[in-house]
Amino acid sequence: ETGVTQTPRHLVMGMTNKKSLKCEQHLGHNAMYWYKQSAKKPLELMFVYNFKEQTENNSVPSRFSPECPNSSHLFLHLHTLQPEDSALYLCASSQDWGEHYGYTFGSGTRLTVV
Amino acid sequence: QKEVEQDPGPLSVPEGAIVSLNCTYSNSAFQYFMWYRQYSRKGPELLMYTYSSGNKEDGRFTAQVDKSSKYISLFIRDSQPSDSATYLCAMSAGNNNDMRFGAGTRLTVKP
Repeated sequence: ETGVTQTPRHLVMGMTNKKSLKCEQHLGHNAMYWYKQSAKKPLELMFVYNFKEQTENNSVPSRFSPECPNSSHLFLHLHTLQPEDSALYLCASSQDWGEHYGYTFGSGTRLTVV
Repeated sequence: QKEVEQDPGPLSVPEGAIVSLNCTYSNSAFQYFMWYRQYSRKGPELLMYTYSSGNKEDGRFTAQVDKSSKYISLFIRDSQPSDSATYLCAMSAGNNNDMRFGAGTRLTVKP
């Protein structure tokens, strides 16, 4: 297991459901990220938190709502999703925001919206 | 034009072959280059990191950067079935929020 843990690993939800994805890092990193990975597409950055403060929101629809209660935990709250939101959602962390030495990723949550 | 282009494959090679994976990019400000390996049902893990142009070798893996051509490569020598994975390139100019990823190339090494 890497230093970044994501739960659940798989999630199937209806378009009217509300669910949350959880991410926890044990690396002492200051920055945490949510990425969306769709088949044959580059990773799409969704949100960035640095020292618990949101620093980036890449025009993500409001049906995705992030929460960062502390530097070790990150949540992604989901509501009224669309089928096109089905994807692998990856959490990542780095020592500092914009760290160019690379990120540590979790194993992701495979989300299916039905 | 996409900032980072990477052929999604799939690429299938026999065990022991030399594998070449490549990415091209358009932003000449990129100077930090990474390769990630992503096994099925796992997240990406950092495999190689290179700064600016040149080569970097780590065991069977060699990362090569040609900034003049805006072209990066990852070579895998004596490929093994355990190398079967999706390989993603990534690059950054060193500024906040400018990390860009390729779409990934799916590699299968057949015994």
